[in-house]
Amino acid sequence: GEDVEQSLFLSVREGDSSVINCTYTDSSSTYLYWYKQEPGAGLQLLTYIFSNMDMKQDQRLTVLLNKKDKHLSLRIADTQTGDSAIYFCAETPFSGGYNKLIFGAGTRLAVHP
Amino acid sequence: DGGITQSPKYLFRKEGQNVTLSCEQNLNHDAMYWYRQDPGQGLRLIYYSQIVNDFQKGDIAEGYSVSREKKESFPLTVTSAQKNPTAFYLCASRMTGTSGSLLYNEQFFGPGTRLTVL
Repeated sequence: GEDVEQSLFLSVREGDSSVINCTYTDSSSTYLYWYKQEPGAGLQLLTYIFSNMDMKQDQRLTVLLNKKDKHLSLRIADTQTGDSAIYFCAETPFSGGYNKLIFGAGTRLAVHP
Repeated sequence: DGGITQSPKYLFRKEGQNVTLSCEQNLNHDAMYWYRQDPGQGLRLIYYSQIVNDFQKGDIAEGYSVSREKKESFPLTVTSAQKNPTAFYLCASRMTGTSGSLLYNEQFFGPGTRLTVL
C-alpha cells in the first residue's frame, strides 16, 4: 500500500540543525520529495531525491535516503526563524504512474531563539 | 512572471450551491492536479489531467468535477454532492524531463483557495 508517516512537531533553537524524518511504505517509489508550507500559502518544493541516490545536498538542506528501511530525512543546517513552517514528505509510487504524490501529514517546525 | 495562479483566494458557499475554483498556469506544463488539504493532514488528490481534454479521478473525486479544455487552465467545480467541502484547495502542475543524465519530475503548487461552506 501507499502510506507516508512523519512526526507531527519539532522544536529547535535558532542556529541548531533540524532533522525531520519520514517513512514510506511503497518500495516502487522513484522520487521522494520535501515541500515547505508557510501559513495560508501553497507548497514550495524544497528538494527531492531520486531513489537510486543515498544523499543530496543543496545549500543548507541535506536529504538522506535509506531505501532498505524506507526512511527519508531532511536536515536543515543553521536553522533560522524563517524556517518555521510545516514540512511535507511525499512519494511518487509506480502504481500512480509516478503522477500521484502521496503526502505525509506534515511536520510543524518551530524555531525559537 | 511564470507560475500558477488560483482564484479566488477565499470563497464562501452556501449549502446546496456549486462553486468553481480557477487554476491557471503559464509554465507550459502538460499535467495539472487538484488537491484538498484539511487541518493537520497531508494533501489528498482529487483529480488530475495529463493532457488537454483528458483527466482522471484521484483518491477523493466524489462530489467534484473538472474540465481541461486548454493547456493553461484546469478549473475545479465543487458540487452540492460534496458533503464536507470546507477545506484548502491547491492546484499544481508538473514538469518532467531529462537534463543530461538527470531525470526530473517536479510538481509546483499555486497559492491555494480557502473554501468555506456557510
